[in-house]
Amino acid sequence: GENVEQHPSTLSVQEGDSAVIKCTYSDSASNYFPWYKQELGKRPQLIIDIRSNVGEKKDQRIAVTLNKTAKHFSLHITETQPEDSAVYFCAASIRTGGFKTIFGAGTRLFVKA
Amino acid sequence: GAVVSQHPSWVICKSGTSVKIECRSLDFQATTMFWYRQFPKQSLMLMATSNEGSKATYEQGVEKDKFLINHASLTLSTLTVTSAHPEDSSFYICSAQTSGETQYFGPGTRLLVL
Repeated sequence: GENVEQHPSTLSVQEGDSAVIKCTYSDSASNYFPWYKQELGKRPQLIIDIRSNVGEKKDQRIAVTLNKTAKHFSLHITETQPEDSAVYFCAASIRTGGFKTIFGAGTRLFVKA
Repeated sequence: GAVVSQHPSWVICKSGTSVKIECRSLDFQATTMFWYRQFPKQSLMLMATSNEGSKATYEQGVEKDKFLINHASLTLSTLTVTSAHPEDSSFYICSAQTSGETQYFGPGTRLLVL
């Protein structure tokens, strides 16, 4: 089955700096890659997603890149703010009737003011 | 739009009792619902996938007789933890999906088994 690895597990940056989180997946059939932000005790919130026919997508301070050949995808947050502090999960989805999603282990991001 | 609710938000029960958790899509019809378990400081682990009117598909290592899932309608799925034990204490989160890829998550249910 699909396996998603995520690095780093913890990331601490100064406010205004950029943060990069990297993920790899194992199943080449995966074709949808969402990123979720989860604040303590709350539900995961979708922040950006990318499909396998696209190499890069940007939404304001957030961007995601996908390298299908290498099975890598990354989240880039620029001009980080303290409110960006949270746990971020990457995920890979395979269409099997519905879409089955496997999550990475998560990255705890701290943005220091 | 795309709101998913869960009830209860938290529950404390005695060991050996059963607990039912409801997941509802409030403003859309969900063809598929997913149940996840999340232990403290860990990722979301997929437990099972349920489609309306059919039996749930369980992930490897998840006991279907212990975690009963019923998806009676396009807006409601239930997870029943039978004969709960302290090791079942966790944060249980559901998500709902329409025909597209996006999953909408519920707020989660925190279960504590004493």
